Amino acid sequence: EVQLVESGGGLVQPGGSLRLSCAASGFPFSSYIMYWVRQAPGKGLECVAYISSSSSTIYYADSVKGRFTISRDNARNSLYLQMNSLRAEDTAFYYCARDFWNPYYRHFTYGLDVWGQGTTVSVSS
Amino acid sequence: QSALTQPASVSGSPGQSITISCTGTSSDVGGYDHVSWYQQHPGKVPKLMIYDVSQRPSGVSNRFSGSKSANTASLTISGLQAEDEADYYCSSYISGSTVVFGGGTKLTVL
Repeated sequence: EVQLVESGGGLVQPGGSLRLSCAASGFPFSSYIMYWVRQAPGKGLECVAYISSSSSTIYYADSVKGRFTISRDNARNSLYLQMNSLRAEDTAFYYCARDFWNPYYRHFTYGLDVWGQGTTVSVSS
Repeated sequence: QSALTQPASVSGSPGQSITISCTGTSSDVGGYDHVSWYQQHPGKVPKLMIYDVSQRPSGVSNRFSGSKSANTASLTISGLQAEDEADYYCSSYISGSTVVFGGGTKLTVL
């Protein structure tokens, strides 16, 4: 079964740090583009980070640039998000997600077809 | 990385068709055919409904269809059913950046 399982969320004070992890199983993790997407309570989706299969290309949303770091360990089938200098506005549900591979045209679609159940990050004093 | 523009809400009666728009710019929606649509029921994980503007992943009902004209993409749901009531989000690829999402549209089935 294709599965993504996040962990590492919790309550942290403003200015603090957290490291989220995402364990992948059931598919060739090392071949896939991966993302971290967050959703603040009652709000919409925001893609905060993108990482290519080999980690050669990484992008961040402007809202987290310079504070968050996405990484992956393909040997461990794991994705990470190091979050530093956390702010109240970073409070959200954080999902890891996989890019959908189009088997007919053999390209990534930048559509996210597999999502984890998410982990909650709360930033508050 | 401005969010794509979606209507806050749409509604329709069972059996009817509705369309949700998603407006961007020539740097995102208008520039690439990598527009996706997601359905999210309350408390649930988003589900990919449409990718590459108009393609449906395996298992998604053919009542869901997507299209694009210039900088605006659209999701149409035909034969509206009660179970379609959910939030819908569009997203688009942007060169040199993360994927950008729309603000979301709440669909109410009357």
